[in-house]
Amino acid sequence: SQQGEEDPQALSIQEGENATMNCSYKTSINNLQWYRQNSGRGLVHLILIRSNEREKHSGRLRVTLDTSKKSSSLLITASRAADTASYFCATDEDNFNKFYFGSGTKLNVKP
Amino acid sequence: GAVVSQHPSWVICKSGTSVKIECRSLDFQATTMFWYRQFPKQSLMLMATSNEGSKATYEQGVEKDKFLINHASLTLSTLTVTSAHPEDSSFYICSASLAGKSDTQYFGPGTRLTVL
Repeated sequence: SQQGEEDPQALSIQEGENATMNCSYKTSINNLQWYRQNSGRGLVHLILIRSNEREKHSGRLRVTLDTSKKSSSLLITASRAADTASYFCATDEDNFNKFYFGSGTKLNVKP
Repeated sequence: GAVVSQHPSWVICKSGTSVKIECRSLDFQATTMFWYRQFPKQSLMLMATSNEGSKATYEQGVEKDKFLINHASLTLSTLTVTSAHPEDSSFYICSASLAGKSDTQYFGPGTRLTVL
């Protein structure tokens, strides 16, 4: 299974602080994506980074990808209470375009 | 655009009964649909991949006779949990991808199944 690992499993910060979560995966990929999931709800797509990209920004989000280490990080700057959710990375199995999700990081942003 | 719906959003059933969950792409044609299962406080696990008009491909460890998947049209896939048991209680999420754009999946809101 290509199921990835994320750390930390849980992260609690104060509003305004930055939150960093990491994702590691096992095999070669075409793309890596980050999703957010509010409790008991569906997934919200945040950002896609391709295997030939090293960094990508979207608003307060910054994603890095290191294919040599098979890892990615998601940075949320100036966090808000509304950012409280679980965050998952998803990788595709090379050439099959199936997504395998990491174990997730549960972020709690305290107001 | 690219909205995926699921029905029902939640269902409670008795042990031994079968439950059907629908996944629809509302404004696009989905050549491929995916079914995931998510247990409480855990990640999404891919169960199967279905292509319109062909048999679904199941991930290792997923019983194809228990989780019947039908992808009869480009906008509808169904997952039937047969002879459901309490251990099948979970959050089932589908996703769909567009033809020629398989790097993007659009996720449905999920269906919470509780088997008593």
